[in-house]
Amino acid sequence: ETGVTQTPRHLVMGMTNKKSLKCEQHLGHNAMYWYKQSAKKPLELMFVYNFKEQTENNSVPSRFSPECPNSSHLFLHLHTLQPEDSALYLCASSQDPTSGSGEQFFGPGTRLTVL
Amino acid sequence: GESVGLHLPTLSVQEGDNSIINCAYSNSASDYFIWYKQESGKGPQFIIDIRSNMDKRQGQRVTVLLNKTVKHLSLQIAATQPGDSAVYFCAENLSSLVGGSNYKLTFGKGTLLTVNP
Repeated sequence: ETGVTQTPRHLVMGMTNKKSLKCEQHLGHNAMYWYKQSAKKPLELMFVYNFKEQTENNSVPSRFSPECPNSSHLFLHLHTLQPEDSALYLCASSQDPTSGSGEQFFGPGTRLTVL
Repeated sequence: GESVGLHLPTLSVQEGDNSIINCAYSNSASDYFIWYKQESGKGPQFIIDIRSNMDKRQGQRVTVLLNKTVKHLSLQIAATQPGDSAVYFCAENLSSLVGGSNYKLTFGKGTLLTVNP
């Protein structure tokens, strides 16, 4: 596989459930990102990892917990979410963000619905 | 504050016509801009980028124009095709700031382009 892949593509969960979103990039990049995309709103940056180290937490509630075991994999652990957390969650990767163009490559996203 | 927005939320064009999608940004320090295309059910896909030391950059059927004086960015699509129907986002980045967060792209809300056959 090439590019950035995300699983699952669709997820429906109750507010008391625990689930995880997975992202994998096959581009040899060093930085990975989680974004939230809600209807009629700009993409919201949630977390950034550079060389497996979290470098950005954009005031995200603690019910979202990221994990980056290596530079190719990124997880988003979900726990006791709210209905307003329903959105498309996008993963992206890029080369070393301290150099290069800053272009980010996106996965197809996970469509999350919280009941 | 830093923000990127779009003049028009929707744009409808006839197949074969040229399309122009506009974007306004508020941070004059931004020095790198990207246009993304997002088709239904897919993640954003890179189209073209431009640095602030350029006014124009051309790709295949697409041209990006940057007017730093009025902080305006546009994407021109030549001979628009049905496959161009998608939401188009512009994003800005402050890559040249020393110690700055040059990986932080700020996105606009997007413009929905519909191409009529």
